[in-house]
Amino acid sequence: QKEVEQNSGPLSVPEGAIASLNCTYSDRGSQSFFWYRQYSGKSPELIMSIYSNGDKEDGRFTAQLNKASQYVSLLIRDSQPSDSATYLCAVSISGGSNYKLTFGKGTLLTVNP
Amino acid sequence: EAGVAQSPRYKIIEKRQSVAFWCNPISGHATLYWYQQILGQGPKLLIQFQNNGVVDDSQLPKDRFSAERLKGVDSTLKIQPAKLEDSAVYLCASRVGGSYEQYFGPGTRLTVT
Repeated sequence: QKEVEQNSGPLSVPEGAIASLNCTYSDRGSQSFFWYRQYSGKSPELIMSIYSNGDKEDGRFTAQLNKASQYVSLLIRDSQPSDSATYLCAVSISGGSNYKLTFGKGTLLTVNP
Repeated sequence: EAGVAQSPRYKIIEKRQSVAFWCNPISGHATLYWYQQILGQGPKLLIQFQNNGVVDDSQLPKDRFSAERLKGVDSTLKIQPAKLEDSAVYLCASRVGGSYEQYFGPGTRLTVT
């Protein structure tokens, strides 16, 4: 069973701080990694994708991937109350056209003003 | 560019009744996914289509769930008969060929009483 594990939280940080969200995965064949943000009552929204080891930055968001440790993380700098949401880690293995994502349960982030 | 469209947004039915959900993917996206998201969990893949063919339905409860994608564009997911445990949000996502990124529609929240 291929699994994606996340701390369910809640993770609470003060406004302006760095929020760090972590994810581990079990399948070493995983090739693509994604972070989705899901506000309460809404559908998941893709915010970051990362495919190779190292860091990828996009605005206040940085995704980090370490395939040897089977670990992917998301850093949110200068956290804002509007960042309060559940963050879902998703991992895929591509096998021709059978390309699908396995999601973690998500980490609830609360940013306190 | 219009996003993934889904309808209805909400549905309440009694157990043993049937229900159908509709999805129209982003224009040009050949791959379409249906997910089930139970409260507090990450999305779980039910079925994946490539154009109008099924690529993966290994997690679809085929005794009560069915799905089709005629003409390779929009898709319907049906549950017949519904059980209490089917209460969840049903999400449709699509992906364009050559990209690994999936984009979600707003979802249909199903309540079975």
